[in-house]
Amino acid sequence: GENVEQHPSTLSVQEGDSAVIKCTYSDSASNYFPWYKQELGKRPQLIIDIRSNVGEKKDQRIAVTLNKTAKHFSLHITETQPEDSAVYFCAASIRGDYKLSFGAGTTVTVRA
Amino acid sequence: DTGVSQDPRHKITKRGQNVTFRCDPISEHNRLYWYRQTLGQGPEFLTYFQNEAQLEKSRLLSDRFSAERPKGSFSTLEIQRTEQGDSAMYLCASSLWTDEKLFFGSGTQLSVL
Repeated sequence: GENVEQHPSTLSVQEGDSAVIKCTYSDSASNYFPWYKQELGKRPQLIIDIRSNVGEKKDQRIAVTLNKTAKHFSLHITETQPEDSAVYFCAASIRGDYKLSFGAGTTVTVRA
Repeated sequence: DTGVSQDPRHKITKRGQNVTFRCDPISEHNRLYWYRQTLGQGPEFLTYFQNEAQLEKSRLLSDRFSAERPKGSFSTLEIQRTEQGDSAMYLCASSLWTDEKLFFGSGTQLSVL
């Protein structure tokens, strides 16, 4: 099955700075890469996703990049705000197999 | 609220007892997934259904775990003879069969004493 590794496990940034989280995946047949945000005690929420036919996708202050050759993808958050503080999970699914394999998560803390 | 709902939100039980959780997916979603999440980890896949058919079970799912989706709508996850290692958040998610986007419920937090 797919194996997803995520780094760093914790990330502290000053408000207004950028945050970057990186994930690697093992199976070259993976073609769907979502990112979830989970606030304490709440459900994981999909914030952005990318498919393997696209190299980059942006939604306001959030962007995701994908490097299929190196089998890694990254989440970029610009102009961070205190409400961005949460645990972020990357995930991947193999083409035709709709279940997701998740990374271990990154706890992001935005310092005011 | 038209999202995925799970019941109960919290369950405390003694070791050896049986517990059952319920998940109601988004109404038009025909795929339903169960995941388990422990502290500091990402969700781990347990099993999924397309309509009423259980299509895949993880090897993490011991024979003490059973899931059903009898009418292709809500699902139940039962754990028999609970063990302390079963303590975790049990998350349900649903999706359209044509789409990989998963929408999660708020989970059931199980504590086995």
